[in-house]
Amino acid sequence: GDSVTQMEGPVTLSEEAFLTINCTYTATGYPSLFWYVQYPGEGLQLLLKATKADDKGSNKGFEATYRKETTSFHLEKGSVQVSDSAVYFCALGGDYKLSFGAGTTVTVRA
Amino acid sequence: DTAVSQTPKYLVTQMGNDKSIKCEQNLGHDTMYWYKQDSKKFLKIMFSYNNKELIINETVPNRFSPKSPDKAHLNLHINSLELGDSAVYFCASSQVGQAEQYFGPGTRLTVT
Repeated sequence: GDSVTQMEGPVTLSEEAFLTINCTYTATGYPSLFWYVQYPGEGLQLLLKATKADDKGSNKGFEATYRKETTSFHLEKGSVQVSDSAVYFCALGGDYKLSFGAGTTVTVRA
Repeated sequence: DTAVSQTPKYLVTQMGNDKSIKCEQNLGHDTMYWYKQDSKKFLKIMFSYNNKELIINETVPNRFSPKSPDKAHLNLHINSLELGDSAVYFCASSQVGQAEQYFGPGTRLTVT
């Protein structure tokens, strides 16, 4: 079945550092791919998405490119801020459900 | 306006009790979901409803019974609560044909 493997955390960074969170997937067909973010004590927010191969999703300085050849959707941000501290989830869109990775906790220190 | 809302936000109850969580969306979506997030933050689908009909029941114990009175609402009733039911429950919705889902703020259920 569909599955997502996500880089395990926790990840601790200094402000203005570069962030990468690796995500790979297994799926039949060509699913849509997502990154969701969960800030402390809050629900999940859609951060960005890509619906087909070579699409690049971007939002709030974050980017991820749908790579069919490596079945990957890695999340990157060039310069993180303290406000980016959160749990990040990679997800794959299937029939009437999302399959999530295990989540990566990111802490950014001032 | 809140797109997907859930009540209550926190629910503390004792083992053996029956409780309900309500979910409403004002996005005009046809499909609604319940997810469970465990203590390690892992998220797993429980149910999917499309146009008030059950589409997915992901091997959830039958103590959990979703009910969709209309397309905008999907409630979750849990009978005979157990310690292992303690988790955060998220409601979500999406438009038919779209994989993108919008989530509610979650309900933290604690069973003592």
